[in-house]
Amino acid sequence: ETGVTQTPRHLVMGMTNKKSLKCEQHLGHNAMYWYKQSAKKPLELMFVYNFKEQTENNSVPSRFSPECPNSSHLFLHLHTLQPEDSALYLCASSQDSGWDGGEQYFGPGTRLTVT
Amino acid sequence: AQSVAQPEDQVNVAEGNPLTVKCTYSVSGNPYLFWYVQYPNRGLQFLLKYITGDNLVKGSYGFEAEFNKSQTSFHLKKPSALVSDSALYFCAVPTPGGGATNKLIFGTGTLLAVQP
Repeated sequence: ETGVTQTPRHLVMGMTNKKSLKCEQHLGHNAMYWYKQSAKKPLELMFVYNFKEQTENNSVPSRFSPECPNSSHLFLHLHTLQPEDSALYLCASSQDSGWDGGEQYFGPGTRLTVT
Repeated sequence: AQSVAQPEDQVNVAEGNPLTVKCTYSVSGNPYLFWYVQYPNRGLQFLLKYITGDNLVKGSYGFEAEFNKSQTSFHLKKPSALVSDSALYFCAVPTPGGGATNKLIFGTGTLLAVQP
């Protein structure tokens, strides 16, 4: 699990706050992902980055803004969130840009609570 | 469209007994299937995958999964459950996107509870 790290592990923020989630992978991968995990719902893929370029935005509201300065780091900037955005946010990485059968490696997640 | 279904929200089993966590799939083309596990307060961990070859796939922590094409199933199994196996298990299928990055579609998850 140390291959993908996420900070902070827990975050409580008000609806008018601005905060950022950070993900770092030490695996030499080229693709990174943000997922949202809510109770009793399937994991929702939010964003995909490949070689620092965003390749997928899964109809995510603009109050979530991703940033990928390099292949090892991924951020999720948060502003004016809603209480229903409270969830576990998971970062993941994988080896290659194309489909190669490779698995994704997940970080431990950031537990976000919006008050 | 690619999808997986996990029909059981929770599976209860006594320690030492065999366990099965069910997954059925619907895919076009060759199926590629994954199992992940999520322990409390942790991220998902890869357990095993089926790409091609033997229908019985062996993975981490003594788990295995059987690919059954006629039943479109990929059930996760372990001969003897441990209390430490208690976790949330996800079946997943990728949507190959013509060169795009891997994108996984996860099932809703099955909570495995192993009683001592």
